[in-house]
Amino acid sequence: GIQVEQSPPDLILQEGANSTLRCNFSDSVNNLQWFHQNPWGQLINLFYIPSGTKQNGRLSATTVATERYSLLYISSSQTTDSGVYFCAVANRDDKIIFGKGTRLHILP
Amino acid sequence: EAGVVQSPRYKIIEKKQPVAFWCNPISGHNTLYWYLQNLGQGPELLIRYENEEAVDDSQLPKDRFSAERLKGVDSTLKIQPAELGDSAVYLCASSFMNTEAFFGQGTRLTVV
Repeated sequence: GIQVEQSPPDLILQEGANSTLRCNFSDSVNNLQWFHQNPWGQLINLFYIPSGTKQNGRLSATTVATERYSLLYISSSQTTDSGVYFCAVANRDDKIIFGKGTRLHILP
Repeated sequence: EAGVVQSPRYKIIEKKQPVAFWCNPISGHNTLYWYLQNLGQGPELLIRYENEEAVDDSQLPKDRFSAERLKGVDSTLKIQPAELGDSAVYLCASSFMNTEAFFGQGTRLTVV
């Protein structure tokens, strides 16, 4: 099945810093999503982005499907951005596979 | 618009007892997923429904786990009997035609 690798596994930043999270996948995908899991365990939808670039406030994402990767950018980090960020992909069999996540710690 | 609703939020049971989780997907979403998330890991798919049909249950431990989605709307996931290793968060998600998936708040199961 398709493999999803996220990097880095852990990231510690000062408030106000910018960050880039990466998601590599091993096969072509029909579907790619970025989620933020908050401290209460809720998976919050950030982007549905099988290809192209999207922006939402301080967050933006780019998926280059032909090169099998996606990037999530967080600018001017805030402490509320802390948590785990997951990339999830699905290929032609429509099975959504998650990466292991990037744990982000924003220090005040 | 209501999101995916799961209940209960928390459940503590003794090993060998049965337990059931309930999920109400977003209205109009034909695809429903059950995931299991262990501490520090990403969610792992247990079963996926298209309407009332289970189209992918390859990861469901069928000796003790069962699921149903009657009438293609609500779904129930059952474990009988529960084991200590089943302690985890059980997540339900739904989507329309396998596009963007939305997750419920999950049920945190503790087996003692």
